[in-house]
Order: sequence, then structure tokens, then C-alpha cells
Amino acid sequence: DVKVTQSSRYLVKRTGEKVFLECVQDMDHENMFWYRQDPGLGLRLIYFSYDVKMKEKGDIPEGYSVSREKKERFSLILESASTNQTSMYLCASSLGTGHSPLHFGNGTRLTVT
Amino acid sequence: DQQVKQNSPSLSVQEGRISILNCDYTNSMFDYFLWYKKYPAEGPTFLISISSIKDKNEDGRFTVFLNKSAKHLSLHIVPSQPGDSAVYFCAAISSGYGQNFVFGPGTRLSVLP
Repeated sequence: DVKVTQSSRYLVKRTGEKVFLECVQDMDHENMFWYRQDPGLGLRLIYFSYDVKMKEKGDIPEGYSVSREKKERFSLILESASTNQTSMYLCASSLGTGHSPLHFGNGTRLTVT
Repeated sequence: DQQVKQNSPSLSVQEGRISILNCDYTNSMFDYFLWYKKYPAEGPTFLISISSIKDKNEDGRFTVFLNKSAKHLSLHIVPSQPGDSAVYFCAAISSGYGQNFVFGPGTRLSVLP
């Protein structure tokens, strides 16, 4: 079974702090993704990566950056956290083929006060 | 404007009866559709998928129907069980556009004993 591990289940940060969300997958998947889930909006794609050191903007990249230095690890960075970034953040990975389903981690509930 | 819509935020069904979850999409380029199930405090898990060249796909108690002309798909769960209580997300993708899955807002299914 694919395991996608997100380092924190819950985080509370202050406005203006730099926040790192870490994600590791153990199945040698090429593709990794960061989504945020908000009520009534579903899952929205923030950033994704098809290979090490590659990154592509998703639908809502503003206020975020990512890093993929190793194939198994994909980090989401909030350079200066704001209250509107309070959300559930979900990391996912998949094989490189177009229809491969996403495998998600259990999520990080981030609260910015 | 949401490209994938799930117009029912919630649905309650009696145990043993059929659950029907609906999903509509607007982008005619979508050619592959997936359903994910999400329990509280867990990441979404892949449930079932369907290609646009088919109009039905079945896996045990779960069947997905696709009506391309209406840009509509539905997930049928028969018989419904209390363990099916979860949020269900519909997702769509266009081949050739990488793995940019577009998710609907989700429907919360409650199966009552």
C-alpha cells in the first residue's frame, strides 16, 4: 500500500510566521501534489511536481511556494502566513501515468491566528 | 466558476437502501472521472473511476454511471451501509493535460442504521 505521510496533523501559527508543511511518500511516485480543502469549495490544487526540482503552479498558488529536493519529499511553504490560509492541507502522490489515482496523506489542519 | 459541481451538500439514506450521489461538469474536455471517499481526520481514498468511452463501471456495491451528453455522472451504492457514511468527492481530468484533477465540493453521505 502506498503511504503518504504528512509530518503534522495539527498546526497553530501566528500571522506573518513562515510555515513549512512536509510530505513524504514511500512508493517512488513521480508526481506529488499539494491541495487545500475548504468547506463548499472541495479540494483546490496549490502546486504540483512531476519530478525532482520541478514545480508547477496549480489553481491557487498565491502566498505559497514548494520545494522538491528529493523524489520522496514535497514541502509546502507559507512565506508569511495569513488568516485566510487557515485550512486543511492535503498532500498526494501518484504514478506518472495520466489516469493514475491520487494517494493522499491524512492532512494537516493549519490554523493561523 | 466551478467546473465540477456536486449540488447536494448532504444526503441521508437508510441502511440497506440505495445511495445516489450526483456530479455535473462543464468542461467537455474532461475524459476521465473518479470518486473519492473521505472520512473525518483522514485523507481522501480512491473509490472508483470511469473513462469517457464507457457509460458504466461497477465494483462490488459501487457503480458509477456517466452520461456524456448531459455532462453528468452519478455514484450508486447498493446496499448502503453505516460504514459508507463519509464525504464523497467527484473529480475529473483531461488526458493530455497532465494530472490536473479538478474536484467537486463534496457530498456528505449519512447512512442511518
